[in-house]
Amino acid sequence: GQQLNQSPQSMFIQEGEDVSMNCTSSSIFNTWLWYKQEPGEGPVLLIALYKAGELTSNGRLTAQFGITRKDSFLNISASIPSDVGIYFCAGQTSGSRLTFGEGTQLTVNP
Amino acid sequence: KAGVTQTPRYLIKTRGQQVTLSCSPISGHRSVSWYQQTPGQGLQFLFEYFSETQRNKGNFPGRFSGRQFSNSRSEMNVSTLELGDSALYLCASSPRLAGVWDTQYFGPGTRLTVL
Repeated sequence: GQQLNQSPQSMFIQEGEDVSMNCTSSSIFNTWLWYKQEPGEGPVLLIALYKAGELTSNGRLTAQFGITRKDSFLNISASIPSDVGIYFCAGQTSGSRLTFGEGTQLTVNP
Repeated sequence: KAGVTQTPRYLIKTRGQQVTLSCSPISGHRSVSWYQQTPGQGLQFLFEYFSETQRNKGNFPGRFSGRQFSNSRSEMNVSTLELGDSALYLCASSPRLAGVWDTQYFGPGTRLTVL
């Protein structure tokens, strides 16, 4: 089946630093999505990417849909304490079935 | 617009029992998908319902089932509960417009604990 490899698994950074995480797959996806999940809550959509090569920003977040359609990255600039959480990438081929990465646990020290 | 709502938020059951979880999608959304989240397996797709029909199914045993009503609300049922069914069950809704890969929006989840 399809699998997404997300890295790093965890990050410990200082407030103000930039963050980068990525996902790779052996399969092609039509859509890449990035979600953030906080304890006790469901994932919240951050950015959706629909075209290979697409670069999209949402405030301090920037994500790119890889040219090969097998990878995506998410950057967070000038991190703040409320960025803490687990970030998931998700790939979508047909229908509404999402394949998720394992998640990146982000800790931001003030 | 109100978001995806799930009830109950927390549930404790014992092995062998059955459970029904409910999901109300965002108004106007016609597709509801269910996911299981556990520390070991991460987020795993269970199934998707659209227009009261199951359109897609993940690799879960037949003990996991669901349905969708005409108002797009959905329920999922787990029969003969096992300890390994303890998880956060997430519901996601999307408009499911033809020809568009719709973005999914998640509810807060139902935390199921099986004792």
